[in-house]
Amino acid sequence: ETGVTQTPRHLVMGMTNKKSLKCEQHLGHNAMYWYKQSAKKPLELMFVYSLEERVENNSVPSRFSPECPNSSHLFLHLHTLQPEDSALYLCASSQTLPVRGPQPQHFGDGTRLSIL
Amino acid sequence: GQQVMQIPQYQHVQEGEDFTTYCNSSTTLSNIQWYKQRPGGHPVFLIQLVKSGEVKKQKRLTFQFGEAKKNSSLHITATQTTDVGTYFCAGDQAGTALIFGKGTTLSVSS
Repeated sequence: ETGVTQTPRHLVMGMTNKKSLKCEQHLGHNAMYWYKQSAKKPLELMFVYSLEERVENNSVPSRFSPECPNSSHLFLHLHTLQPEDSALYLCASSQTLPVRGPQPQHFGDGTRLSIL
Repeated sequence: GQQVMQIPQYQHVQEGEDFTTYCNSSTTLSNIQWYKQRPGGHPVFLIQLVKSGEVKKQKRLTFQFGEAKKNSSLHITATQTTDVGTYFCAGDQAGTALIFGKGTTLSVSS
């Protein structure tokens, strides 16, 4: 139990589908992150949120749309994805952003996404 | 942009042998963190180093942070099969996010 819960664990979708990934953290952290992990580019940072405000968007295609309704929940909305988007999507949280001092990140188990 | 390079990409050892992975940054870091990801699992925080020249130990694992705060290493003494996984370093410039290396995948045969 890491304190960061991701659902679903596995998702298979067609390129025209719309789905959402959910992340919930029970650690009282103020910063949350989405990462993409694939064989070719391990641990690519996608989005960073601090206190529900997006502070970084790492050149991610618009077919990925994040949402952070409160400091405990983070969503990644998916639409018209491409086969190269198949990967493990990891959510993480930290007490605050690194700018406020060394911050270990706590990762969820991830969602294994397969695009048909 | 800032990069964190990690070598080797893969390492296979016999159980009982030592293992070292190296991490180098193109810029000075405020601190460096190390994570371990078991096969099929998620990255788990191991340790963070903050001070120049800092050395920390966790049982058979020894972590070092270079004097210039641009490089780091993780050394495992007498590897065991439970050490299998991918080890990531992550550099922090006190910005909005960590910069992860590509990781070193360790396999151990008994």
